[in-house]
Amino acid sequence: EIVMTQSPATLSVSPGERATLSCRASQSVSSNLAWYQQKRGQAPRLLIYAASIRATGIPARFSGSGSGTEFTLTISIVQSEDFAVYYCQQYNNWPPITFGQGTRLDIK
Amino acid sequence: QVQLQESGPGLVKPSETLDLTCTVSGGSISSYYWSWIRQPPGKGLEWVGFIYYIGSTHYNPSLKSRVTMSVDTSKNQISLKLTSVTAADTAVYYCARVAMLRGAITTFEIWGQGTKVTVSS
Repeated sequence: EIVMTQSPATLSVSPGERATLSCRASQSVSSNLAWYQQKRGQAPRLLIYAASIRATGIPARFSGSGSGTEFTLTISIVQSEDFAVYYCQQYNNWPPITFGQGTRLDIK
Repeated sequence: QVQLQESGPGLVKPSETLDLTCTVSGGSISSYYWSWIRQPPGKGLEWVGFIYYIGSTHYNPSLKSRVTMSVDTSKNQISLKLTSVTAADTAVYYCARVAMLRGAITTFEIWGQGTKVTVSS
């Protein structure tokens, strides 16, 4: 099973600042990685797939990068609606499909 | 647009079977993979399994001995049965449509709102 590890567990930023979230895989997942955003009480929403491709309707301030075992989700200018929990997910080697434990983006 | 709605009992007794349904509206079940994902209270996401519209399945090895997924194309529904439940199965259960890229399973592109299931006597 591929273990996905996200860091930090919590990231505190002010609106207008840049946020950088990390995800590490226990073995290479190539570029077969996705990012999701989950707001409190809601289902997750797909943000990024194939490590760097924004899903339909996702604002350009969200960007993904990386390949192999190291990945980054960057929010260039954090907006108030971006405060949420973010999960990475690998789909390179399954079963099982695995998710990271999440990074909570908090208001500073 | 395609919408997914989970339904089923919110309370299940230990050792009994959890039985959930996901109804797809605004589109057909055909030609897609569908999935169940669960989220224990305050915790992260756990993939439960996939089902293709023709009925072929793939399950999480950690749950494989207790999980059965099925599809009813006439009703545009998928279902999940989880046997011998314990408190550890308490979670919000989501159904989701799976995106494919070049014939390979990738991400969960459309999600239902989720249904909360508590295992307790």
